[in-house]
Amino acid sequence: DIQMAQSPSSLAASVGGRVTITCRASQTVNTYLNWYQQKPGKAPKLLIYGASSLQSGVPSRFTGSGSGTDFTLTISNLQPEDFATYYCQQSYSYPRTFGQGTKLEIK
Amino acid sequence: QVTLRESGPALVKPTQTLTLTCTFSGFSLSTSGMCVSWIRQPPGKALEWLALIDWDDDKFYTTSLKTRLAVSKDTSKNQVVLTMTNMDPVDTATYFCARYQSSMFDYWGQGTPVTVSP
Repeated sequence: DIQMAQSPSSLAASVGGRVTITCRASQTVNTYLNWYQQKPGKAPKLLIYGASSLQSGVPSRFTGSGSGTDFTLTISNLQPEDFATYYCQQSYSYPRTFGQGTKLEIK
Repeated sequence: QVTLRESGPALVKPTQTLTLTCTFSGFSLSTSGMCVSWIRQPPGKALEWLALIDWDDDKFYTTSLKTRLAVSKDTSKNQVVLTMTNMDPVDTATYFCARYQSSMFDYWGQGTPVTVSP
C-alpha cells in the first residue's frame, strides 16, 4: 500500500496570508494526487486533481504542484472560509489512500 | 445534478454486520469509467478509504479490512451497498459514499454516522 504523509499536521495563519502544505508518498504516484478541503461536520470537497488542476468553481488562490512522491498545496491570500482541514489522496494504485490531514487555523 | 445519499443504521452492536446503502442520482453506474466508493472518518480522525465498485462490477478494498467488507451495486436502482461484518467499537465513524471518476472523488454524500456500542 502507498502511504501518504502530510506536513505539518496543523498550522495557524492570518487572513490575507499564504500557507503551503506538503504531501509525500511512500512511492511514486506520478501526478495521480488530489487535494480535498473539509470543514467540520461536512463532507470533503475536491479542490485540486491530477496534482495541479483546479476543480471547477474552486478559487484560483488554491495552487497544487508536484509529481512523483512530493507534492504541495499552496493557498494565497487566505480568506476566512479557507480555515479547514486539508487532505491529500493518491489515485495511482489500489488501495486508494489519504494523508492524515492538515488543520489550518486562524492566527 | 449529481447527488449521493447514505442510509443505514445509526447504532449497531459489536459482532453485528453493518449494511449501508448509497443512493445516487445524476449519473449512471453503467457508464464506462464511473465508480462509487466508500470512505469513513472516525470522530476527530482522518479519512480512510474503504472500498470501490466500478461500472464493470470490479471491486477493490482496503487491505486491512478486505476480509470484512463487501460492496455491490444495483444499477437499476442507482444504489451501491456496503456490508461490513463483525463490527467493533473502533468502527464507530461517519461513513461517506462518493462518486469516483477520472481518478478523483468529485461528489460526496453528506455522510451517515454509525456508532458501535452494546
